[in-house]
Amino acid sequence: DQQVKQNSPSLSVQEGRISILNCDYTNSMFDYFLWYKKYPAEGPTFLISISSIKDKNEDGRFTVFLNKSAKHLSLHIVPSQPGDSAVYFCAARPSGNTPLVFGKGTRLSVIA
Amino acid sequence: DGGITQSPKYLFRKEGQNVTLSCEQNLNHDAMYWYRQDPGQGLRLIYYSQIVNDFQKGDIAEGYSVSREKKESFPLTVTSAQKNPTAFYLCASSTSSSYNSPLHFGNGTRLTVT
Repeated sequence: DQQVKQNSPSLSVQEGRISILNCDYTNSMFDYFLWYKKYPAEGPTFLISISSIKDKNEDGRFTVFLNKSAKHLSLHIVPSQPGDSAVYFCAARPSGNTPLVFGKGTRLSVIA
Repeated sequence: DGGITQSPKYLFRKEGQNVTLSCEQNLNHDAMYWYRQDPGQGLRLIYYSQIVNDFQKGDIAEGYSVSREKKESFPLTVTSAQKNPTAFYLCASSTSSSYNSPLHFGNGTRLTVT
């Protein structure tokens, strides 16, 4: 049973526009959420995180929104750049030092 | 520069052979993890270790074994019992001192078993 779901396997966006990647979760004990970016044949790199006490966290062009009642989070990238083309993984974990649970990823293509 | 080193980047083995994937970190992190990535499957946890000489099974531990004799090293052995060993294997680490600490990943080892 998947606890972290990324229902869109792929997304195409024009350069300069906004990219919105979505993630849903089922475990109400999750209280720390992260987004990772991954290029082919490389390890994922940490992008941005949010804890459950917040509903928004911003870092440059990247903003993560958390809606706890809907068990939904999203990553906004504005403006999108060709170098943002990668697979994005949503991850979550409950409180305590437990391993992250990852979604299946969304492949973002930013078209020039 | 601190980081996680996985070696080799590509590994080829014949079916029936055990193979060990190396993972070394110099970040002084307490916790280390092994994930497997398959197309369309995301990252699935194989084993993790939060302290030296201790480790726990993840979601897909069958056919794998690990050891954690040193803080900086967490090798993964893919045994002949693993039914579908061909995959991209990722090692990660994190500090245990902070709850909200992200994982840092190595660049992975692609294992092909024929």
